[in-house]
Amino acid sequence: ETGVTQTPRHLVMGMTNKKSLKCEQHLGHNAMYWYKQSAKKPLELMFVYNFKEQTENNSVPSRFSPECPNSSHLFLHLHTLQPEDSALYLCASSQEIRGRLAFFGQGTRLTVV
Amino acid sequence: QQQVKQSPQSLIVQKGGIPIINCAYENTAFDYFPWYQQFPGKGPALLIAIRPDVSEKKEGRFTISFNKSAKQFSLHIMDSQPGDSATYFCAALGPPGGGSTLGRLYFGRGTQLTVWP
Repeated sequence: ETGVTQTPRHLVMGMTNKKSLKCEQHLGHNAMYWYKQSAKKPLELMFVYNFKEQTENNSVPSRFSPECPNSSHLFLHLHTLQPEDSALYLCASSQEIRGRLAFFGQGTRLTVV
Repeated sequence: QQQVKQSPQSLIVQKGGIPIINCAYENTAFDYFPWYQQFPGKGPALLIAIRPDVSEKKEGRFTISFNKSAKQFSLHIMDSQPGDSATYFCAALGPPGGGSTLGRLYFGRGTQLTVWP
């Protein structure tokens, strides 16, 4: 275990559903990230939070809504998703000031039907 | 535009062989180059990393070779084992932006390595 825990591990949702992904890190890190991993594509950075403040939104559609209540927890709220949003969603955290050392969770495998 | 180009997409070697995975970049502002290893059902895990002022770094059976002038870097796995079968990602860290101290990691597309016993 890397110290970054994601739940649920698998999620199947309809296009009209609302669901949330949860990430918790036990490493005392200040920065947390959401990445999207699709087959045959590079990892795509979605959001970055540093000391609970969102510092980056990488042009992500508004149907994805992040929330960072504290430095240890990160959520990704999902609503009215499309089938092309099916992917592995990875949470990561880092401590070092430049974010060099990123630790990833195991991911949530999301399927939109 | 893909910031980090990785090849090959897949690689098959016999046990004991030395697979080599190559990456190239264009942005000279990148200043940290990690490699991640990902097993099925797991998230990527940091394997080894190098800074551009070093030409080679070795950790156990894993070696990064870095060519700053060519803007290329590669991962070599010595005496490869079936347990090394995984997907490997190279990455490059870009400079901070937007008032943050955090740089952004740009990843290659990944190389699926299979090591036959």
